[in-house]
Amino acid sequence: AQKVTQAQTEISVVEKEDVTLDCVYETRDTTYYLFWYKQPPSGELVFLIRRNSFDEQNEISGRYSWNFQKSTSSFNFTITASQVVDSAVYFCARWSYNNNDMRFGAGTRLTVKP
Amino acid sequence: DTAVSQTPKYLVTQMGNDKSIKCEQNLGHDTMYWYKQDSKKFLKIMFSYNNKELIINETVPNRFSPKSPDKAHLNLHINSLELGDSAVYFCASSQDRGLSGELFFGEGSRLTVL
Repeated sequence: AQKVTQAQTEISVVEKEDVTLDCVYETRDTTYYLFWYKQPPSGELVFLIRRNSFDEQNEISGRYSWNFQKSTSSFNFTITASQVVDSAVYFCARWSYNNNDMRFGAGTRLTVKP
Repeated sequence: DTAVSQTPKYLVTQMGNDKSIKCEQNLGHDTMYWYKQDSKKFLKIMFSYNNKELIINETVPNRFSPKSPDKAHLNLHINSLELGDSAVYFCASSQDRGLSGELFFGEGSRLTVL
């Protein structure tokens, strides 16, 4: 299977620090989507962003920003001025158009300390 | 109205028993999934159905049998439960492959096998 790799298993920062979560994906498809999901301690999976393979424009939403680089097959996620409420496990995922298949990375556990 | 609902939310049972987890979505989506999240938070796809047809069947023991009576429901039946089946099982749905592939998740069903 084409993998999604989140090399950082755990990250710990102090509140107000910026933090970047890395994601590298594999695909043989030309059409695909990339996602980030957040899983807070309560356990639900919260959708954060979707980016399609033809749109390499970076995106900013409040304190969150995403950097999509097709040349390096990466889709990194940055939280600026982190807050304690950002503490969660963050998953990167790739959806393949050809076989309607969503694959997740192993997740990065982010802990933001006060 | 909950978009993707799973029941039960918690299930504690003995080894060797048979159990089912039900999932229903009211979003009109064509595709439904089952994911297993283990204790290390790894989200692994198990099955995917599109319009009641099985399209993804990962390497899952045949003790696990999905059943989709209609496109709004995807149930998971597990026979002869083992300790290693303890996990959180997430149901999800998405629109047809022609669209963006965003997954809508249920709240998860935590299965504990004693």
